[in-house]
Amino acid sequence: ETGVTQTPRHLVMGMTNKKSLKCEQHLGHNAMYWYKQSAKKPLELMFVYNFKEQTENNSVPSRFSPECPNSSHLFLHLHTLQPEDSALYLCASSQDLGVGNYGYTFGSGTRLTVV
Amino acid sequence: GENVEQHPSTLSVQEGDSAVIKCTYSDSASNYFPWYKQELGKRPQLIIDIRSNVGEKKDQRIAVTLNKTAKHFSLHITETQPEDSAVYFCAGLSNDYKLSFGAGTTVTVRA
Repeated sequence: ETGVTQTPRHLVMGMTNKKSLKCEQHLGHNAMYWYKQSAKKPLELMFVYNFKEQTENNSVPSRFSPECPNSSHLFLHLHTLQPEDSALYLCASSQDLGVGNYGYTFGSGTRLTVV
Repeated sequence: GENVEQHPSTLSVQEGDSAVIKCTYSDSASNYFPWYKQELGKRPQLIIDIRSNVGEKKDQRIAVTLNKTAKHFSLHITETQPEDSAVYFCAGLSNDYKLSFGAGTTVTVRA
């Protein structure tokens, strides 16, 4: 797999568990994103990081906690999730933010099931 | 913010026929409109995009048209093949750099 790599590919967790999703890119991109993909719904933007600084928190519940230690890595820490949080979580990256930014590269996603 | 609506939600076509997916957007400041294809179990991949200063763009069997006045854009796939079966997403990028997606169209090409 090249481009944007996400691990794990699948995750099943109980509502009291704590887990983390990982995203990694070595494309030299400066911006990274977390999206939630639920069936029959548009991709929902969750968080945006630019040069490892968070620039957007799209009213996401605090049980989702992002972390961006550097421009190449992005994490999504999960705790006390609800069954409705079950979805495909997609990471994406792009060269830059703003109108000069054309094209996102997506990872393959983590299929999360909360039981 | 930008609101992108996509129709139809499902589309079934006979192999060799054309498929058309339409999207509308709300923010007149949006200036970039990509289309992504997502095959089952795989990542969304950019297949074609168009900028607001262009009305039409073509790449082999796929083309995108943009009507800025009406704020809608469309994806056209000609001579469809079984490998075109996938979910297609349109999106719009507004000046606040956020990419807003449509809900997706599941395209099935019948052999």
